[in-house]
Amino acid sequence: GAVVSQHPSRVICKSGTSVKIECRSLDFQATTMFWYRQFPKQSLMLMATSNEGSKATYEQGVEKDKFLINHASLTLSTLTVTSAHPEDSSFYICSACRDSGPYEQYFGPGTRLTVT
Amino acid sequence: KNQVEQSPQSLIILEGKNCTLQCNYTVSPFSNLRWYKQDTGRGPVSLTIMTFSENTKSNGRYTATLDADTKQSSLHITASQLSDSASYICVVPQGAGNMLTFGGGTRLMVKP
Repeated sequence: GAVVSQHPSRVICKSGTSVKIECRSLDFQATTMFWYRQFPKQSLMLMATSNEGSKATYEQGVEKDKFLINHASLTLSTLTVTSAHPEDSSFYICSACRDSGPYEQYFGPGTRLTVT
Repeated sequence: KNQVEQSPQSLIILEGKNCTLQCNYTVSPFSNLRWYKQDTGRGPVSLTIMTFSENTKSNGRYTATLDADTKQSSLHITASQLSDSASYICVVPQGAGNMLTFGGGTRLMVKP
């Protein structure tokens, strides 16, 4: 099966600092990856679509200058939360789509971000 | 508007019992429907993917049904185990594209 990893699994940072979250497709190439945010007892909310070699597409209400996305290779996308605030504390989940074969999004294990 | 609604929002059952979770959708165009299991603090894991022509699909103790006419799906869990405690999310992509519409999930708790 397809495996997507995220690093780190948990991170605590202070207000005003930046934190980077990595999303990797371990055994397949993914031109397209997605970043979601999930608050407690809520479903996943799409933040942005990350495309290898081009700019990410952000959902309405998501600040592109605050949530920087870089998809520099076919197996790696990064999300950087800049100038973090306590309200950015959330569970961030990425997913990746195969470039070939069964069309399905495979989700990473998530990253718990806590901003103090 | 594309929507996926799940019921119940939460459910508590005793270990060994069966349960059925419901999903209604209004996503168009429709190509497939997916059930995911999400453990607390983890990412969603796929249980089943059902295409337009499939009515029933099983994965171990999980059996999903799909009625494309009424736009309803169900996930039946047989002989529940404590490890079944999780959120179960119904997800419907819009057509063959990447955009997913998520249901709110059903939080299942299995008690001994």
